[in-house]
Amino acid sequence: DQQVKQNSPSLSVQEGRISILNCDYTNSMFDYFLWYKKYPAEGPTFLISISSIKDKNEDGRFTVFLNKSAKHLSLHIVPSQPGDSAVYFCAAISSGTYKYIFGTGTRLKVLA
Amino acid sequence: EAQVTQNPRYLITVTGKKLTVTCSQNMNHEYMSWYRQDPGLGLRQIYYSMNVEVTDKGDVPEGYKVSRKEKRNFPLILESPSPNQTSLYFCASSYGQGGEQYFGPGTRLTVT
Repeated sequence: DQQVKQNSPSLSVQEGRISILNCDYTNSMFDYFLWYKKYPAEGPTFLISISSIKDKNEDGRFTVFLNKSAKHLSLHIVPSQPGDSAVYFCAAISSGTYKYIFGTGTRLKVLA
Repeated sequence: EAQVTQNPRYLITVTGKKLTVTCSQNMNHEYMSWYRQDPGLGLRQIYYSMNVEVTDKGDVPEGYKVSRKEKRNFPLILESPSPNQTSLYFCASSYGQGGEQYFGPGTRLTVT
């Protein structure tokens, strides 16, 4: 049973436009969420996170939104740049556990 | 430079031949973890360690062993590898539970 789902395997966006990557989760005990970016032949790198006590966190061009009632989070990238082309993973963890649950990833392609 | 290193980066082996993938971090992190990445399945946690001599199973621990004798090292051991363990493996570390994880560059393992 996939507790964290990224239903879009891929996404293409024009340079300068907004990229929206989505993530759904089923476990209501998750209270901390993270986004990672992964380039080919490299390990994932941390991008941005959000605690369940917030509904938005912003860092430069990256904003994560959390809708707890819908068990849904999204990553917005504005404006999108060709260097943003990568696979994006969302991850979740609940307090008191040490288990990170990752989604299956979304491959973003930003077209110049 | 703060980093997580893994060795080897690439490994081809045969069924049943014991192998060890090393992982080391230089950030004095308490938490370390191993993941495998497979197409369509994302990142799945194999084992994690909260501190020296403290380890626990992730979602897919079968066929793997770990040890944490020193804070900086967290080797992954495959006592009798099988073809279904062919995968891309990542080691990660963080300061504590729930923190952003720093990933190693990955080890691509092929078991024939």
